Amino acid sequence: EAGVAQSPRYKIIEKRQSVAFWCNPISGHATLYWYQQILGQGPKLLIQFQNNGVVDDSQLPKDRFSAERLKGVDSTLKIQPAKLEDSAVYLCASSPLNQSPRDEQYFGPGTRLTVT
Amino acid sequence: SQQGEEDPQALSIQEGENATMNCSYKTSINNLQWYRQNSGRGLVHLILIRSNEREKHSGRLRVTLDTSKKSSSLLITASRAADTASYFCATDVDSSYKLIFGSGTRLLVRP
Repeated sequence: EAGVAQSPRYKIIEKRQSVAFWCNPISGHATLYWYQQILGQGPKLLIQFQNNGVVDDSQLPKDRFSAERLKGVDSTLKIQPAKLEDSAVYLCASSPLNQSPRDEQYFGPGTRLTVT
Repeated sequence: SQQGEEDPQALSIQEGENATMNCSYKTSINNLQWYRQNSGRGLVHLILIRSNEREKHSGRLRVTLDTSKKSSSLLITASRAADTASYFCATDVDSSYKLIFGSGTRLLVRP
Protein backbone atom coordinates (compact mmCIF):
# COMPACT_ATOMS: atom_id res chain seq x y z
CA GLU A 1 0.00 0.00 0.00
CA ALA A 2 1.14 3.57 -0.61
CA GLY A 3 2.63 5.37 2.38
CA VAL A 4 1.92 8.79 3.82
CA ALA A 5 2.68 11.46 1.23
CA GLN A 6 3.87 14.96 2.09
CA SER A 7 4.77 17.99 0.01
CA PRO A 8 6.84 19.95 -0.42
CA ARG A 9 9.91 18.12 0.89
CA TYR A 10 11.85 21.33 1.44
CA LYS A 11 10.84 24.96 1.87
CA ILE A 12 12.88 28.08 2.54
CA ILE A 13 11.05 31.29 3.43
CA GLU A 14 11.81 34.59 5.10
CA LYS A 15 10.40 35.43 8.51
CA ARG A 16 6.92 36.93 8.48
CA GLN A 17 6.07 35.05 5.27
CA SER A 18 3.39 32.37 5.06
CA VAL A 19 3.83 28.70 4.24
CA ALA A 20 1.57 25.68 3.81
CA PHE A 21 2.29 21.97 4.00
CA TRP A 22 0.16 19.21 2.55
CA CYS A 23 -0.33 15.64 3.74
CA ASN A 24 -2.14 12.68 2.18
CA PRO A 25 -2.49 9.83 4.70
CA ILE A 26 -2.66 6.12 4.00
CA SER A 27 -6.00 5.25 2.44
CA GLY A 28 -8.59 4.38 5.06
CA HIS A 29 -6.66 5.77 8.02
CA ALA A 30 -9.08 7.81 10.10
CA THR A 31 -6.53 9.45 12.39
CA LEU A 32 -4.01 12.03 11.16
CA TYR A 33 -1.27 13.75 13.15
CA TRP A 34 1.02 16.72 12.52
CA TYR A 35 4.31 16.83 14.43
CA GLN A 36 7.05 19.43 14.65
CA GLN A 37 10.59 18.08 15.01
CA ILE A 38 13.28 20.61 15.83
CA LEU A 39 16.84 19.53 15.06
CA GLY A 40 18.21 17.25 17.76
CA GLN A 41 14.84 16.71 19.43
CA GLY A 42 12.00 14.21 19.26
CA PRO A 43 8.77 14.97 17.40
CA LYS A 44 6.24 17.12 19.23
CA LEU A 45 2.56 16.68 18.45
CA LEU A 46 0.92 19.82 17.09
CA ILE A 47 -2.54 18.55 16.20
CA GLN A 48 -4.45 15.28 15.95
CA PHE A 49 -7.50 14.74 13.75
CA GLN A 50 -9.95 11.88 13.80
CA ASN A 51 -11.76 11.91 10.47
CA ASN A 52 -12.26 15.67 10.00
CA GLY A 53 -12.61 16.53 13.69
CA VAL A 54 -9.85 17.83 15.98
CA VAL A 55 -8.99 15.49 18.87
CA ASP A 56 -6.07 17.43 20.34
CA ASP A 57 -4.54 20.78 19.38
CA SER A 58 -3.28 21.77 22.81
CA GLN A 59 0.29 22.33 21.58
CA LEU A 60 -0.59 24.15 18.37
CA PRO A 61 0.43 27.85 18.50
CA LYS A 62 -2.96 29.04 17.34
CA ASP A 63 -1.91 32.66 16.86
CA ARG A 64 0.14 31.61 13.84
CA PHE A 65 -0.51 27.95 13.05
CA SER A 66 -3.69 26.52 11.58
CA ALA A 67 -4.63 23.12 10.21
CA GLU A 68 -7.58 21.60 8.50
CA ARG A 69 -8.62 18.20 7.26
CA LEU A 70 -11.42 18.56 4.79
CA LYS A 71 -13.55 15.50 4.03
CA GLY A 72 -11.49 13.49 6.51
CA VAL A 73 -8.70 12.69 4.06
CA ASP A 74 -5.98 15.19 3.06
CA SER A 75 -4.74 17.78 5.51
CA THR A 76 -3.02 21.15 5.28
CA LEU A 77 -0.90 22.82 7.95
CA LYS A 78 -0.30 26.55 7.60
CA ILE A 79 2.03 28.98 9.35
CA GLN A 80 1.27 32.68 9.08
CA PRO A 81 3.47 34.60 9.79
CA ALA A 82 6.55 32.42 10.21
CA LYS A 83 9.20 33.05 12.86
CA LEU A 84 12.82 31.94 12.94
CA GLU A 85 12.01 29.37 15.67
CA ASP A 86 9.58 27.63 13.30
CA SER A 87 12.54 26.15 11.43
CA ALA A 88 12.02 22.41 11.82
CA VAL A 89 10.86 19.27 10.05
CA TYR A 90 7.08 18.95 9.94
CA LEU A 91 5.98 15.34 9.99
CA CYS A 92 2.60 13.97 9.11
CA ALA A 93 1.48 10.57 10.38
CA SER A 94 -1.65 8.48 10.15
CA SER A 95 -3.08 5.48 11.92
CA PRO A 96 -6.06 3.20 11.41
CA LEU A 97 -9.03 3.34 13.71
CA ASN A 98 -10.98 0.28 12.78
CA GLN A 99 -8.30 -2.35 12.53
CA SER A 100 -5.67 -3.77 14.85
CA PRO A 101 -3.13 -2.57 15.70
CA ARG A 102 -4.58 0.89 16.20
CA ASP A 103 -1.61 2.14 18.09
CA GLU A 104 1.11 2.18 15.45
CA GLN A 105 1.59 5.40 13.53
CA TYR A 106 2.83 5.58 9.94
CA PHE A 107 4.97 8.59 9.14
CA GLY A 108 5.56 10.50 5.95
CA PRO A 109 9.04 11.73 4.90
CA GLY A 110 8.45 15.19 6.35
CA THR A 111 8.84 18.75 5.11
CA ARG A 112 12.03 20.54 6.14
CA LEU A 113 11.26 24.22 6.73
CA THR A 114 14.00 26.83 6.99
CA VAL A 115 12.99 30.33 8.06
CA THR A 116 15.63 33.00 7.37
CA SER B 1 6.74 18.74 26.90
CA GLN B 2 8.90 15.65 26.48
CA GLN B 3 7.59 12.60 28.35
CA GLY B 4 10.46 10.26 27.66
CA GLU B 5 14.15 10.73 28.05
CA GLU B 6 16.51 8.39 26.22
CA ASP B 7 19.90 7.42 27.52
CA PRO B 8 22.54 7.63 26.19
CA GLN B 9 22.04 10.58 23.86
CA ALA B 10 24.62 9.09 21.49
CA LEU B 11 26.16 5.64 21.13
CA SER B 12 28.96 4.43 18.86
CA ILE B 13 29.65 0.71 18.51
CA GLN B 14 31.39 -1.71 16.18
CA GLU B 15 29.41 -3.81 13.72
CA GLY B 16 28.44 -7.10 15.32
CA GLU B 17 28.22 -5.69 18.84
CA ASN B 18 25.00 -5.25 20.76
CA ALA B 19 23.44 -1.83 21.33
CA THR B 20 21.33 -0.99 24.36
CA MET B 21 19.39 2.22 24.79
CA ASN B 22 17.13 3.20 27.65
CA CYS B 23 13.99 5.28 28.00
CA SER B 24 12.51 6.76 31.14
CA TYR B 25 9.07 8.33 31.32
CA LYS B 26 7.02 10.24 33.85
CA THR B 27 3.36 9.20 33.83
CA SER B 28 1.36 6.00 33.56
CA ILE B 29 1.15 4.57 30.08
CA ASN B 30 -1.06 2.33 27.94
CA ASN B 31 1.89 1.23 25.84
CA LEU B 32 5.40 2.24 24.87
CA GLN B 33 6.69 2.17 21.31
CA TRP B 34 10.12 2.42 19.73
CA TYR B 35 10.69 4.17 16.40
CA ARG B 36 13.76 4.50 14.17
CA GLN B 37 14.62 7.55 12.08
CA ASN B 38 17.27 7.37 9.39
CA SER B 39 18.94 10.55 8.23
CA GLY B 40 16.60 12.52 6.02
CA ARG B 41 13.71 10.06 6.32
CA GLY B 42 10.55 9.70 8.36
CA LEU B 43 10.10 7.60 11.44
CA VAL B 44 9.51 3.87 11.19
CA HIS B 45 7.72 1.88 13.87
CA LEU B 46 9.88 -0.90 15.33
CA ILE B 47 8.03 -2.48 18.22
CA LEU B 48 5.23 -1.87 20.73
CA ILE B 49 5.04 -3.17 24.28
CA ARG B 50 1.87 -2.85 26.35
CA SER B 51 1.80 -1.82 29.98
CA ASN B 52 0.96 -5.37 31.12
CA GLU B 53 3.91 -6.89 29.22
CA ARG B 54 7.45 -7.11 30.52
CA GLU B 55 9.44 -8.26 27.51
CA LYS B 56 8.95 -8.51 23.78
CA HIS B 57 11.08 -9.71 20.86
CA SER B 58 11.07 -8.92 17.16
CA GLY B 59 13.92 -10.28 15.08
CA ARG B 60 17.13 -8.76 16.47
CA LEU B 61 15.19 -6.41 18.74
CA ARG B 62 14.39 -7.03 22.39
CA VAL B 63 12.35 -4.58 24.43
CA THR B 64 11.78 -4.65 28.17
CA LEU B 65 9.38 -2.59 30.23
CA ASP B 66 9.48 -1.92 33.96
CA THR B 67 6.39 0.06 34.89
CA SER B 68 7.45 0.28 38.55
CA LYS B 69 10.56 2.18 37.48
CA LYS B 70 8.84 3.87 34.53
CA SER B 71 11.57 2.72 32.21
CA SER B 72 12.13 0.68 29.06
CA SER B 73 15.15 -0.60 27.22
CA LEU B 74 15.75 -1.48 23.59
CA LEU B 75 18.43 -4.02 22.76
CA ILE B 76 19.65 -4.47 19.18
CA THR B 77 21.72 -7.63 18.86
CA ALA B 78 24.45 -8.26 16.27
CA SER B 79 24.29 -4.70 15.00
CA ARG B 80 24.82 -3.80 11.35
CA ALA B 81 25.93 -0.59 9.67
CA ALA B 82 22.34 -0.23 8.40
CA ASP B 83 21.17 0.11 12.02
CA THR B 84 22.82 3.55 12.13
CA ALA B 85 19.92 5.89 12.94
CA SER B 86 18.20 7.80 15.72
CA TYR B 87 15.96 5.75 17.99
CA PHE B 88 13.00 7.26 19.83
CA CYS B 89 10.73 5.90 22.50
CA ALA B 90 7.14 7.12 22.48
CA THR B 91 4.46 6.66 25.10
CA ASP B 92 0.72 6.35 24.69
CA VAL B 93 -0.69 7.86 27.87
CA ASP B 94 -4.44 8.03 27.27
CA SER B 95 -7.18 6.62 25.08
CA SER B 96 -6.68 9.02 22.18
CA TYR B 97 -3.70 7.15 20.62
CA LYS B 98 -1.65 10.31 20.97
CA LEU B 99 2.10 9.62 21.32
CA ILE B 100 4.62 11.61 23.31
CA PHE B 101 8.16 11.16 22.01
CA GLY B 102 11.43 11.25 23.87
CA SER B 103 14.55 13.08 22.81
CA GLY B 104 16.17 10.11 21.06
CA THR B 105 19.42 8.15 21.02
CA ARG B 106 21.72 8.59 18.02
CA LEU B 107 23.31 5.22 17.20
CA LEU B 108 26.38 4.92 14.99
CA VAL B 109 27.42 1.42 13.94
CA ARG B 110 30.96 1.43 12.56
CA PRO B 111 31.76 -1.11 9.80
